[in-house]
Amino acid sequence: NAGVTQTPKFQVLKTGQSMTLQCAQDMNHEYMSWYRQDPGMGLRLIHYSVGAGITDQGEVPNGYNVSRSTTEDFPLRLLSAAPSQTSVYFCASSYSNKNYGYTFGSGTRLTVV
Amino acid sequence: LAKTTQPISMDSYEGQEVNITCSHNNIATNDYITWYQQFPSQGPRFIIQGYKTKVTNEVASLFIPADRKSSTLSLPRVSLSDTAVYYCLVGDMGNYQLIWGAGTKLIIKP
Repeated sequence: NAGVTQTPKFQVLKTGQSMTLQCAQDMNHEYMSWYRQDPGMGLRLIHYSVGAGITDQGEVPNGYNVSRSTTEDFPLRLLSAAPSQTSVYFCASSYSNKNYGYTFGSGTRLTVV
Repeated sequence: LAKTTQPISMDSYEGQEVNITCSHNNIATNDYITWYQQFPSQGPRFIIQGYKTKVTNEVASLFIPADRKSSTLSLPRVSLSDTAVYYCLVGDMGNYQLIWGAGTKLIIKP
């Protein structure tokens, strides 16, 4: 019972590089989302998905793309990394929109130099 | 979206009961109140959720007065392992875009 799995756990990028943060869940959850957390702050929603093939923007979507081809996977793509994207990224899932009992992954700590 | 206000930090001692209060003056009729716990270098963990009066589970209790403009998370007999940041969130069950504040940093001392 893995829950929500995020890879990699740590990543250093150079400005302008692109990369994909992976998120997978094995709970058959319909709802998945990506957040970023900066030091001393709460989480900010980047993108979310209510099911395969459906995605929408959150509070801070600029510079990020997502897709949801399967129920299990929800990758986050950084198109051209910038130092302002240095943060910890969390993926979360929930079985439906009827509760906010999200299950979070352990996070990816990204540094852009 | 209802904004929440929590104390930035709190201290307590092992074995004590800790109450963390969250203010949400603009809570809407359809909004629920949810609390999460976050340890360093980990993702948040769901603790408890409620709409009104009192909710209790194996980890905590949530007290919500009749006007629902505030709520109190109660942690009974805390231990050092309860040192964490606690977040209060308020939102409509059909609205995915919850607003996360900075939370309350709870430090438990021996």
